[in-house]
Amino acid sequence: SQQGEEDPQALSIQEGENATMNCSYKTSINNLQWYRQNSGRGLVHLILIRSNEREKHSGRLRVTLDTSKKSSSLLITASRAADTASYFCATDINAGGTSYGKLTFGQGTILTVHP
Amino acid sequence: EAGVAQSPRYKIIEKRQSVAFWCNPISGHATLYWYQQILGQGPKLLIQFQNNGVVDDSQLPKDRFSAERLKGVDSTLKIQPAKLEDSAVYLCASSLDRRRNTEAFFGQGTRLTVV
Repeated sequence: SQQGEEDPQALSIQEGENATMNCSYKTSINNLQWYRQNSGRGLVHLILIRSNEREKHSGRLRVTLDTSKKSSSLLITASRAADTASYFCATDINAGGTSYGKLTFGQGTILTVHP
Repeated sequence: EAGVAQSPRYKIIEKRQSVAFWCNPISGHATLYWYQQILGQGPKLLIQFQNNGVVDDSQLPKDRFSAERLKGVDSTLKIQPAKLEDSAVYLCASSLDRRRNTEAFFGQGTRLTVV
């Protein structure tokens, strides 16, 4: 089964609105990463948050991490039509205190931003 | 900085045939990943290399899939014989070092269709 599960599976909003996507995971992690995938293209890294961090910003992106609840959220503010894509969270699993760098992806959230 | 290079971009084969994919990671990246992404799903890790050694291949169908990383740089993924359910995009990614909290960079992928 997938380590990370995104919610919702699909999100449709108007340009200018904010988009929030959530990710839940099951085991201890070293870090959690968010990626974007445009139709038919490779994945692009958006942001990485370490297990000892609670919030991180990058431009219009804000990521939070709650390790007690094993969950993370990605907020895109003032969305644009160009933000239309699939968004995936990926967890770098921590097994026994050793960082393996094994990135496990969720099923993704399909975001559609209407002009 | 050059990105992760993959070839071919597209491949159509008949079931029971063999196919090979090639990946050239970013120069200096010790960790290399192969993922399988079936349409509508998140990427699934097939194998992870650290330099030329295998770190994780727990989800690699070893009866038909094989992978190697030559001299810790380029990598090839082979399927022999292919099945219809192998139709997917095969993504290669690399990161600086799995032991550090660094992001992975993905290639554009190879879209395989098995008919």
